[in-house]
Amino acid sequence: QSVLTQPPSASGTPGQRVTVSCAGSNSNIGSNYVYWYQHLPGTAPKLLIYRNNQRPSGVPDRFSASKSGTSASLAISGLRSEDEADYYCAVWHDSLSGWVFGGGTKLTVL
Amino acid sequence: EVQLVESGGGLIQPGGSLRLSCTASGFFVSSNYMSWVRQAPGKGLEWVSIIYSDGSTYYADSVKGRFTISRDNSKNTLYLQMNSLRVDDTALYYCARDPGYDYGLDYWGQGTLVTVSS
Repeated sequence: QSVLTQPPSASGTPGQRVTVSCAGSNSNIGSNYVYWYQHLPGTAPKLLIYRNNQRPSGVPDRFSASKSGTSASLAISGLRSEDEADYYCAVWHDSLSGWVFGGGTKLTVL
Repeated sequence: EVQLVESGGGLIQPGGSLRLSCTASGFFVSSNYMSWVRQAPGKGLEWVSIIYSDGSTYYADSVKGRFTISRDNSKNTLYLQMNSLRVDDTALYYCARDPGYDYGLDYWGQGTLVTVSS
């Protein structure tokens, strides 16, 4: 069980806005940046969001994220079929000197 | 263009050893933090190990004492030596670049599959 809690699944129809939540604690989300990754199993994961809400170049502005206290969320607007993937939140954990990932949320585009 | 290519995976018996390689192009492994991340069948992503640009290394508790991360700067290659392998080490292993400055794991390889089974 990860220290970062994500819902196992989410779904939406094309064009809709969906959100994925990530719940943590003061020792992880509460004290460090949150990152979001998109992953199609068997392919290279892709960095979607860094430093809580920053998009790397090439990531569409349909993807946005926020953090409040010990929770974070990823929002995808104008949902498209190619957004169907697994989404992971992650934080750097100081006491582990390593990364901690959420359990992942499988997004289905209906 | 930044590229990471993993190799070295395969089928190995419990208790055996395997060395994974991650060959980088488009940047210097020695100038970045480099991590290994794995995904077991049907499971989520799990961070395994990191090597800092200064050579410091850290490991997840699940692999500490059994796995060793290293790099060869002359070959621009990252390694993961895996000893005393267990069935629950079966996973797709990815290497990933972390350029520091809180940019996260910005480039990942396609992964190499390790199957531990008798």
